[in-house]
Amino acid sequence: AQSVTQPDIHITVSEGASLELRCNYSYGATPYLFWYVQSPGQGLQLLLKYFSGDTLVQGIKGFEAEFKRSQSSFNLRKPSVHWSDAAEYFCAVGLYSGAGSYQLTFGKGTKLSVIP
Amino acid sequence: DGGITQSPKYLFRKEGQNVTLSCEQNLNHDAMYWYRQDPGQGLRLIYYSQIVNDFQKGDIAEGYSVSREKKESFPLTVTSAQKNPTAFYLCASSIASRGSTTDTQYFGPGTRLTVL
Repeated sequence: AQSVTQPDIHITVSEGASLELRCNYSYGATPYLFWYVQSPGQGLQLLLKYFSGDTLVQGIKGFEAEFKRSQSSFNLRKPSVHWSDAAEYFCAVGLYSGAGSYQLTFGKGTKLSVIP
Repeated sequence: DGGITQSPKYLFRKEGQNVTLSCEQNLNHDAMYWYRQDPGQGLRLIYYSQIVNDFQKGDIAEGYSVSREKKESFPLTVTSAQKNPTAFYLCASSIASRGSTTDTQYFGPGTRLTVL
C-alpha cells in the first residue's frame, strides 16, 4: 500500500525567508503527486501536481516542487514566504482505481507559521 | 460559479443519532469522494463514487453510508455505529479521466460535526 510521510509537523519561518516542506512517499509505480494547502476551518486548495514529464513543477502563489524518483521525494519550495502563506500543507499520492478515478493518500500535514 | 458546496458548515448531534452531511457539485464531475480529517491525522478516505448508483468503500468506511442517485450529489450518513464521529468532513470531486493532467480532486469547504 502506498504511504506518504511529512517529517515536519510544524515549521516556523520569518517573512521573506525561503521555505522547503518535505514529503516522502512509498509507492511501487510512478506516482501522481499533489500538494494542497488548507487555511484553518477551510477546505483544501490545490497548489500543484505532478503527473509526468518535467520533474520541476510550478504551482500557484509562487510555489514549486521537485519530484526526485531516486529519493522518493516531492518537496515543496518557495523562495520568499509571505505572512499569508501561514496554513497547513498536505502532500498526497494518487492511486488509480480501475474505472479512471483515483484515491488520494495524504500525509499528516505540516503546519507553517510565519513570523512578521 | 462552479464549485462544491457542503452544508451545513457546523453540525451538532446527540450521541446515538444518525446524521446526514450534504455535498453538491456543479462541475459536471463523474467522481466524488468523502474524507474525514482529525487533528494531526491528515485526511482519510471514507467512500468514493466513480459513477451514479455506484460507490466503493475507502479506508475507514465502518459506521458510514453513502448514496449516489444523482451525478451532482453524494450525501454521507454518519450512523450511530460510528464510534468516534466528531471530526471535520470534506467532500471532493474529480473528472475521473485516468492520467489526464486535468484530473484533479477539488474540495468543498467542509462540515465540522460535533457529537455531544
